[in-house]
Amino acid sequence: AQSVTQLGSHVSVSEGALVLLRCNYSSSVPPYLFWYVQYPNQGLQLLLKYTTGATLVKGINGFEAEFKKSETSFHLTKPSAHMSDAAEYFCAVSDPNGGFKTIFGAGTRLFVKA
Amino acid sequence: NAGVMQNPRHLVRRRGQEARLRCSPVKGHSHVYWYRQLPEEGLKFMVYLQKENIIDESGMPKERFSAEFPKEGPSILRIQQVVRGDSAAYFCASSPVVGYDAEAFFGQGTRLTVV
Repeated sequence: AQSVTQLGSHVSVSEGALVLLRCNYSSSVPPYLFWYVQYPNQGLQLLLKYTTGATLVKGINGFEAEFKKSETSFHLTKPSAHMSDAAEYFCAVSDPNGGFKTIFGAGTRLFVKA
Repeated sequence: NAGVMQNPRHLVRRRGQEARLRCSPVKGHSHVYWYRQLPEEGLKFMVYLQKENIIDESGMPKERFSAEFPKEGPSILRIQQVVRGDSAAYFCASSPVVGYDAEAFFGQGTRLTVV
């Protein structure tokens, strides 16, 4: 069965600093991986996804993630944090068994300091 | 932009009452998913439905919880005889197709508080 582990429930960075949110997955089949962002009192919005092909995936708002099969990782990065990036971020993997439901990690809350 | 619409946004119920949560998917989407988010936790899958069919309900509690997605109208998540532990945010998502890479579009959620 698929599972997702997000390392660090809270991450704090200064404005302009690098953002790195970690995600590791387990999957018995080639995974499809996603990052979603959730702003306060909002639903989830897709940032980016990896399906096949290029392992470096670019998403919205300057975020990108790299699929590393050897490390079973899909870490999310952004070169320079902005105050508006403060939100909760969820890594997710699709589950091809039993209906293609998406399995989510516990989330990482990003704080951006001025 | 008619995205996924959930109502109500906030719902307060006393213990023992019924809670009924509604989800209208994106127009044209025939796949609906319900998730529950507890404080400080991620989203937990509850149920996956297509029109008039429950495809996967492996995340649904065995008792008190039910879901439907009728041919006409919104999807409904029903919680009978609510208890304090049911307090959570419930999110609905829809997708136009099913598949490994199908993006799910999420509603803004219904925050249920049981008092």
